[in-house]
Amino acid sequence: AQKVTQAQTEISVVEKEDVTLDCVYETRDTTYYLFWYKQPPSGELVFLIRRNSFDEQNEISGRYSWNFQKSTSSFNFTITASQVVDSAVYFCALHSSGAGSYQLTFGKGTKLSVIP
Amino acid sequence: DGGITQSPKYLFRKEGQNVTLSCEQNLNHDAMYWYRQDPGQGLRLIYYSQIVNDFQKGDIAEGYSVSREKKESFPLTVTSAQKNPTAFYLCASRGTGHDTKNTEAFFGQGTRLTVV
Repeated sequence: AQKVTQAQTEISVVEKEDVTLDCVYETRDTTYYLFWYKQPPSGELVFLIRRNSFDEQNEISGRYSWNFQKSTSSFNFTITASQVVDSAVYFCALHSSGAGSYQLTFGKGTKLSVIP
Repeated sequence: DGGITQSPKYLFRKEGQNVTLSCEQNLNHDAMYWYRQDPGQGLRLIYYSQIVNDFQKGDIAEGYSVSREKKESFPLTVTSAQKNPTAFYLCASRGTGHDTKNTEAFFGQGTRLTVV
């Protein structure tokens, strides 16, 4: 069984503040992939990043950065200098292909509100 | 352009009626998924299919049915047995090759179903 926990249900920050969204995962497989998605008010999920279990290198893309730590089973997402356009629901997801399964498991999401 | 299309965007159903939600992709993806989203519940997996003519139940399959007669299409039928069908439904597809670039899922714009 696999599980993704996003303990923060809602976060509010003032524009230009930094914010970190937490994600903790559980899986018995040694090969797995982790993802972050953004869901704006329109509803469609937008892919942000993929990380595989063999690559613990952190990644930065503009104002976004991700911290993957296998030791704590966490894949946290930081937005630097937040903007109003960052307001959305953010989902962390896990895919592991153990036993031939192709399930993709999502956390419950964190709603981020950036206040001008 | 390649992508995944869900229709209709909004759907109203009378109690006791079956209704079918459409999902079509032209990404040549093998795997397709249906998720249900309720406020505060995140995304819950209804059904998924790894290959044509094969599909598996997800966490909340009761009251739903699917078919996968073509690679491009994965329609979801919400039957009268589904006691609380009002929700936002998201369809996704992903590649299943060994190339890691195929691992992220792409989502449609969603169908908002309301039972009246």
